[in-house]
Amino acid sequence: DVKVTQSSRYLVKRTGEKVFLECVQDMDHENMFWYRQDPGLGLRLIYFSYDVKMKEKGDIPEGYSVSREKKERFSLILESASTNQTSMYLCASSQRDSDTIYFGEGSWLTVV
Amino acid sequence: GENVEQHPSTLSVQEGDSAVIKCTYSDSASNYFPWYKQELGKRPQLIIDIRSNVGEKKDQRIAVTLNKTAKHFSLHITETQPEDSAVYFCAASKTGGSYIPTFGRGTSLIVHP
Repeated sequence: DVKVTQSSRYLVKRTGEKVFLECVQDMDHENMFWYRQDPGLGLRLIYFSYDVKMKEKGDIPEGYSVSREKKERFSLILESASTNQTSMYLCASSQRDSDTIYFGEGSWLTVV
Repeated sequence: GENVEQHPSTLSVQEGDSAVIKCTYSDSASNYFPWYKQELGKRPQLIIDIRSNVGEKKDQRIAVTLNKTAKHFSLHITETQPEDSAVYFCAASKTGGSYIPTFGRGTSLIVHP
């Protein structure tokens, strides 16, 4: 079974803090994604990466950055957290040239 | 880019009834249409998918239909059960690129016992 693990399920951070959300996959997938999920807005793509050190902006990259130093790990960084970034963040991965993506369990972030 | 519209946003049915969720897409080059189910507090999981060379696909109580001309596809669940209660997402993507799906906004299905 593919396993996509998000290390933090629930976080509470203060406005202005730097926040790291970590994601690890164990299936040697080339593609990794970060989505944000909000009620009524569905899943919106923040960033994706198709290889180590490669990244592409998604639909809502503002206020976020990412890092992919190793193939199995994809980190989402909020340089200065704001209350409007309170949300559920989903990491996902897939093989190159494959349709099927696999999601992690999600990280609930509250910024106060 | 691709735009996926999904309706309804909420669907409430009695156990045993059928449920239908509809999606439309804008990019005629899209050729892969998965459906994901997300139970409360859990990750979205693929439940069924369809490709543009197929009009309909069934898997037990769930089926998906695709109308390429009209650019819409639908999820059909028959004989609904309380465990079908979840949020369902449709998506569209195209092969030959990075296979990045564009998701609909989700439908919250509630099945009343």
